[in-house]
Amino acid sequence: EAGVTQFPSHSVIEKGQTVTLRCDPISGHDNLYWYRRVMGKEIKFLLHFVKESKQDESGMPNNRFLAERTGGTYSTLKVQPAELEDSGVYFCASSQFRTDTQYFGPGTRLTVL
Amino acid sequence: KNEVEQSPQNLTAQEGEFITINCSYSVGISALHWLQQHPGGGIVSLFMLSSGKKKHGRLIATINIQEKHSSLHITASHPRDSAVYICAVRTNTGNQFYFGTGTSLTVIP
Repeated sequence: EAGVTQFPSHSVIEKGQTVTLRCDPISGHDNLYWYRRVMGKEIKFLLHFVKESKQDESGMPNNRFLAERTGGTYSTLKVQPAELEDSGVYFCASSQFRTDTQYFGPGTRLTVL
Repeated sequence: KNEVEQSPQNLTAQEGEFITINCSYSVGISALHWLQQHPGGGIVSLFMLSSGKKKHGRLIATINIQEKHSSLHITASHPRDSAVYICAVRTNTGNQFYFGTGTSLTVIP
Protein backbone atom coordinates (compact mmCIF):
# COMPACT_ATOMS: atom_id res chain seq x y z
CA GLU A 1 0.00 0.00 0.00
CA ALA A 2 1.36 3.42 -0.96
CA GLY A 3 2.06 5.81 1.88
CA VAL A 4 1.36 9.51 2.06
CA THR A 5 3.08 11.33 -0.78
CA GLN A 6 3.89 14.98 -1.15
CA PHE A 7 4.93 17.03 -4.14
CA PRO A 8 7.27 18.70 -4.71
CA SER A 9 9.96 17.50 -2.34
CA HIS A 10 11.73 20.85 -2.58
CA SER A 11 10.63 24.25 -3.80
CA VAL A 12 12.67 27.42 -4.01
CA ILE A 13 10.77 30.60 -4.86
CA GLU A 14 11.21 34.30 -4.53
CA LYS A 15 9.33 36.48 -2.11
CA GLY A 16 6.01 37.50 -3.60
CA GLN A 17 5.62 34.43 -5.77
CA THR A 18 2.98 31.75 -5.41
CA VAL A 19 3.63 28.12 -4.54
CA THR A 20 1.22 25.20 -4.37
CA LEU A 21 2.07 22.12 -2.36
CA ARG A 22 0.26 18.87 -2.89
CA CYS A 23 -0.46 15.97 -0.56
CA ASP A 24 -1.87 12.60 -1.53
CA PRO A 25 -3.05 10.74 1.56
CA ILE A 26 -3.30 7.01 1.93
CA SER A 27 -6.30 5.78 -0.02
CA GLY A 28 -9.40 5.60 2.15
CA HIS A 29 -8.09 7.97 4.81
CA ASP A 30 -10.75 10.59 5.47
CA ASN A 31 -8.58 12.63 7.81
CA LEU A 32 -5.83 14.78 6.34
CA TYR A 33 -3.59 17.12 8.29
CA TRP A 34 -1.12 19.81 7.31
CA TYR A 35 1.80 20.75 9.55
CA ARG A 36 4.76 23.07 9.23
CA ARG A 37 8.20 23.22 10.80
CA VAL A 38 10.12 26.43 10.45
CA MET A 39 13.86 26.35 11.04
CA GLY A 40 14.79 25.64 14.63
CA LYS A 41 11.23 25.56 15.88
CA GLU A 42 8.79 22.80 16.73
CA ILE A 43 6.30 21.39 14.25
CA LYS A 44 3.08 23.40 14.20
CA PHE A 45 -0.37 22.21 13.26
CA LEU A 46 -1.94 24.10 10.37
CA LEU A 47 -5.25 22.45 9.62
CA HIS A 48 -7.31 19.28 9.51
CA PHE A 49 -9.64 18.04 6.81
CA VAL A 50 -12.30 15.39 7.23
CA LYS A 51 -13.01 14.34 3.68
CA GLU A 52 -13.41 17.63 1.82
CA SER A 53 -14.45 19.69 4.85
CA LYS A 54 -12.12 21.80 6.94
CA GLN A 55 -12.57 20.47 10.46
CA ASP A 56 -10.08 22.81 12.09
CA GLU A 57 -8.01 25.50 10.42
CA SER A 58 -7.01 27.35 13.56
CA GLY A 59 -3.33 26.81 12.88
CA MET A 60 -3.26 28.60 9.52
CA PRO A 61 -0.94 31.57 10.02
CA ASN A 62 -2.76 34.12 7.85
CA ASN A 63 -4.90 34.57 4.77
CA ARG A 64 -1.95 34.09 2.43
CA PHE A 65 -2.40 30.37 3.03
CA LEU A 66 -5.24 28.52 1.33
CA ALA A 67 -5.83 24.80 1.68
CA GLU A 68 -8.25 22.79 -0.37
CA ARG A 69 -9.30 19.17 -0.62
CA THR A 70 -11.78 18.99 -3.44
CA GLY A 71 -13.39 15.59 -3.70
CA GLY A 72 -11.94 14.50 -0.41
CA THR A 73 -8.87 12.89 -1.94
CA TYR A 74 -5.66 14.85 -2.41
CA SER A 75 -5.12 18.25 -0.83
CA THR A 76 -3.30 21.37 -1.92
CA LEU A 77 -1.81 24.13 0.18
CA LYS A 78 -1.24 27.37 -1.67
CA VAL A 79 0.88 30.20 -0.36
CA GLN A 80 0.22 33.50 -2.14
CA PRO A 81 2.18 35.71 -1.98
CA ALA A 82 5.03 33.92 -0.26
CA GLU A 83 7.06 35.72 2.39
CA LEU A 84 10.50 34.91 3.77
CA GLU A 85 9.07 33.61 7.03
CA ASP A 86 7.08 30.97 5.16
CA SER A 87 10.27 28.97 4.59
CA GLY A 88 10.22 25.61 6.29
CA VAL A 89 9.19 22.02 5.86
CA TYR A 90 5.52 21.37 5.25
CA PHE A 91 4.30 17.94 6.32
CA CYS A 92 1.07 16.24 5.48
CA ALA A 93 -0.37 13.32 7.42
CA SER A 94 -3.45 11.17 7.08
CA SER A 95 -5.47 8.77 9.18
CA GLN A 96 -8.58 6.70 8.60
CA PHE A 97 -10.29 7.81 11.77
CA ARG A 98 -9.56 10.91 13.85
CA THR A 99 -8.36 8.81 16.76
CA ASP A 100 -6.04 6.68 14.65
CA THR A 101 -2.31 6.86 14.25
CA GLN A 102 -1.36 9.43 11.66
CA TYR A 103 0.89 8.52 8.76
CA PHE A 104 3.21 11.28 7.67
CA GLY A 105 4.41 12.19 4.23
CA PRO A 106 8.07 12.97 3.54
CA GLY A 107 7.47 16.71 3.62
CA THR A 108 8.02 19.55 1.19
CA ARG A 109 10.95 21.82 1.93
CA LEU A 110 9.98 25.35 0.93
CA THR A 111 12.61 28.04 0.67
CA VAL A 112 11.52 31.62 0.03
CA LEU A 113 14.34 33.92 -1.06
CA LYS B 1 6.31 28.62 26.74
CA ASN B 2 5.59 25.65 24.53
CA GLU B 3 2.66 23.42 25.42
CA VAL B 4 4.97 20.39 25.00
CA GLU B 5 8.46 20.29 26.46
CA GLN B 6 10.99 17.58 25.76
CA SER B 7 14.24 16.72 27.46
CA PRO B 8 17.01 16.39 26.76
CA GLN B 9 17.34 18.40 23.54
CA ASN B 10 20.40 16.43 22.50
CA LEU B 11 21.58 13.05 23.66
CA THR B 12 24.67 11.03 22.80
CA ALA B 13 24.89 7.43 23.95
CA GLN B 14 27.19 4.46 23.51
CA GLU B 15 25.80 1.49 21.68
CA GLY B 16 24.01 -0.81 24.10
CA GLU B 17 23.02 1.88 26.57
CA PHE B 18 19.50 2.30 27.91
CA ILE B 19 18.03 5.61 26.77
CA THR B 20 15.18 7.68 28.16
CA ILE B 21 13.61 10.69 26.51
CA ASN B 22 11.08 12.70 28.48
CA CYS B 23 8.03 14.69 27.44
CA SER B 24 5.91 16.97 29.61
CA TYR B 25 2.79 18.77 28.48
CA SER B 26 0.57 21.43 29.94
CA VAL B 27 -2.76 20.87 28.16
CA GLY B 28 -5.48 18.27 28.55
CA ILE B 29 -4.94 15.59 25.99
CA SER B 30 -6.80 12.75 24.32
CA ALA B 31 -3.65 11.14 22.91
CA LEU B 32 0.11 11.47 22.90
CA HIS B 33 2.31 10.47 19.97
CA TRP B 34 5.97 9.61 19.79
CA LEU B 35 7.44 10.25 16.33
CA GLN B 36 10.83 9.47 14.83
CA GLN B 37 12.65 11.30 12.07
CA HIS B 38 15.94 9.99 10.68
CA PRO B 39 18.35 12.49 9.14
CA GLY B 40 17.00 13.42 5.73
CA GLY B 41 14.04 11.14 6.22
CA GLY B 42 10.34 11.48 6.78
CA ILE B 43 8.45 11.29 10.04
CA VAL B 44 7.40 7.90 11.31
CA SER B 45 4.85 7.38 14.03
CA LEU B 46 6.23 5.07 16.75
CA PHE B 47 3.46 5.07 19.33
CA MET B 48 0.12 6.60 20.07
CA LEU B 49 -0.79 6.47 23.77
CA SER B 50 -3.71 7.55 25.87
CA SER B 51 -2.79 5.63 29.02
CA GLY B 52 -0.36 3.12 30.46
CA LYS B 53 2.46 1.65 28.47
CA LYS B 54 3.20 0.29 25.01
CA LYS B 55 6.12 -1.78 23.79
CA HIS B 56 7.41 -2.40 20.29
CA GLY B 57 10.66 -4.27 19.98
CA ARG B 58 13.31 -2.36 21.91
CA LEU B 59 11.10 0.70 22.28
CA ILE B 60 8.85 1.30 25.27
CA ALA B 61 6.56 4.29 25.76
CA THR B 62 4.83 5.17 29.01
CA ILE B 63 2.43 7.89 29.96
CA ASN B 64 1.22 9.26 33.29
CA ILE B 65 -1.91 11.27 32.63
CA GLN B 66 -2.11 12.69 36.16
CA GLU B 67 1.45 13.99 35.98
CA LYS B 68 1.13 15.03 32.31
CA HIS B 69 4.33 13.22 31.48
CA SER B 70 5.48 10.58 29.03
CA SER B 71 8.75 8.78 28.52
CA LEU B 72 10.21 6.96 25.56
CA HIS B 73 12.76 4.28 26.44
CA ILE B 74 15.14 2.52 24.09
CA THR B 75 16.78 -0.63 25.40
CA ALA B 76 20.10 -1.90 24.01
CA SER B 77 20.51 1.17 21.83
CA HIS B 78 22.00 0.81 18.36
CA PRO B 79 23.50 3.34 15.93
CA ARG B 80 20.45 2.93 13.69
CA ASP B 81 18.38 4.42 16.51
CA SER B 82 20.11 7.74 15.83
CA ALA B 83 17.31 10.12 14.90
CA VAL B 84 15.20 12.97 16.18
CA TYR B 85 12.41 11.83 18.49
CA ILE B 86 9.39 14.09 18.71
CA CYS B 87 6.58 14.10 21.24
CA ALA B 88 3.20 15.40 20.10
CA VAL B 89 -0.16 15.67 21.84
CA ARG B 90 -3.72 15.96 20.62
CA THR B 91 -5.83 18.10 22.91
CA ASN B 92 -9.07 16.87 24.38
CA THR B 93 -10.79 20.13 23.39
CA GLY B 94 -11.19 20.28 19.66
CA ASN B 95 -8.49 18.67 17.59
CA GLN B 96 -5.42 20.81 18.22
CA PHE B 97 -2.01 19.23 17.96
CA TYR B 98 1.08 20.50 19.77
CA PHE B 99 4.60 19.27 19.16
CA GLY B 100 7.80 19.27 21.18
CA THR B 101 10.97 20.58 19.60
CA GLY B 102 12.42 17.09 19.44
CA THR B 103 15.31 15.21 21.01
CA SER B 104 18.26 14.56 18.75
CA LEU B 105 19.74 11.16 19.63
CA THR B 106 23.13 9.95 18.44
CA VAL B 107 24.20 6.42 19.28
CA ILE B 108 27.92 5.83 18.88
CA PRO B 109 29.20 2.36 17.97
